[in-house]
Amino acid sequence: AQSVTQPDIHITVSEGASLELRCNYSYGATPYLFWYVQSPGQGLQLLLKYFSGDTLVQGIKGFEAEFKRSQSSFNLRKPSVHWSDAAEYFCAVGRGGSQGNLIFGKGTKLSVKP
Amino acid sequence: DSGVTQTPKHLITATGQRVTLRCSPRSGDLSVYWYQQSLDQGLQFLIQYYNGEERAKGNILERFSAQQFPDLHSELNLSSLELGDSALYFCASTAGLAGEQYFGPGTRLTVT
Repeated sequence: AQSVTQPDIHITVSEGASLELRCNYSYGATPYLFWYVQSPGQGLQLLLKYFSGDTLVQGIKGFEAEFKRSQSSFNLRKPSVHWSDAAEYFCAVGRGGSQGNLIFGKGTKLSVKP
Repeated sequence: DSGVTQTPKHLITATGQRVTLRCSPRSGDLSVYWYQQSLDQGLQFLIQYYNGEERAKGNILERFSAQQFPDLHSELNLSSLELGDSALYFCASTAGLAGEQYFGPGTRLTVT
């Protein structure tokens, strides 16, 4: 069965520091991979996606992620964090085909200190 | 703004009651998905509809049902509500059967 693991429940970084959020997935074939962000009381906003091709994908708000098949990972990175990036981040895997539902990790809450 | 709308934003009801949550997908999107977000279970897929037909079922209770109408909006019906049904319910849509999903703002259901 497909699954997504986000090992870090809560991360705190200083404003201006770099960020890496970890995501590992379990899936038999090449998955569709996504990162979403959720601010308190808000819905989920798509940051970036990987379907195929270049394993380094760029997203919105200066985020990028790298797909590493050998490590079953899809880590999210940002070179310099802004206070407005404080939110909860979810990694998700999609099956594609005729059933496109997403399987989400438990999320990583990001706090940014001044 | 994702283009997906959900109503109502908040819903407070008593145990044993029935409620209906409504979702309008982005213009042109044919697939609608429903998810439940709770503190203990996280984000769980409930059900998917594509162009009016049920496509996939996830961890949806028998007390819950959904449908998608000809104008592509969808409704999630929750009946015989229990305290444990209190959660955020999200709707998402995609143009086709799969791909990136765009989420609505959610409906927060509180069962008292």
